[in-house]
Amino acid sequence: GEDVEQSLFLSVREGDSSVINCTYTDSSSTYLYWYKQEPGAGLQLLTYIFSNMDMKQDQRLTVLLNKKDKHLSLRIADTQTGDSAIYFCAENNYGQNFVFGPGTRLSVLP
Amino acid sequence: DTAVSQTPKYLVTQMGNDKSIKCEQNLGHDTMYWYKQDSKKFLKIMFSYNNKELIINETVPNRFSPKSPDKAHLNLHINSLELGDSAVYFCASSPAPGLRGRNYNEQFFGPGTRLTVL
Repeated sequence: GEDVEQSLFLSVREGDSSVINCTYTDSSSTYLYWYKQEPGAGLQLLTYIFSNMDMKQDQRLTVLLNKKDKHLSLRIADTQTGDSAIYFCAENNYGQNFVFGPGTRLSVLP
Repeated sequence: DTAVSQTPKYLVTQMGNDKSIKCEQNLGHDTMYWYKQDSKKFLKIMFSYNNKELIINETVPNRFSPKSPDKAHLNLHINSLELGDSAVYFCASSPAPGLRGRNYNEQFFGPGTRLTVL
């Protein structure tokens, strides 16, 4: 079945860049997503990328997709303490069902 | 206005009880979901449901049953609660792909219901 993997923890210093990585197995994935979960809250969509794109930039966020290696990354520039959260990678294939990764807990140190 | 709402926010109950968690979305979406997030924050889909089809994750015990009185609601009923059912349960909804010119299918999550079974 489909699988999405992420490293579970990442710590960075405030002002540095954060890079969160994700790998997936479903080669027919059409959209890949990054969701953010703040403490005590539900998940919110941060950004997404269509599978025929290599890169997408949205303000401090840069998404890179290597479709050949099935590797997705999220770069957060100038990381702030408010970026501390769990970041979930997810994929779907035009269908209703999403497959989520285990989440990467980002800690931003002052 | 809250897009996806769940009640209750917290639920503490004894083992063996039957309980329900309610979910409502006011987004006009066609598909609703229930997810379970365990203590390690792993998110597992339990059900996806639209007005045509219920898809059940085969790992979900049959003590869990979704009930949809209408398109805007998907409630989760749990029979004979067990200690291992303690988790945060998230409801989500999404439009059908292609709705309103969108080419992607975003899921909108509720705030979660923290279930504690004693």
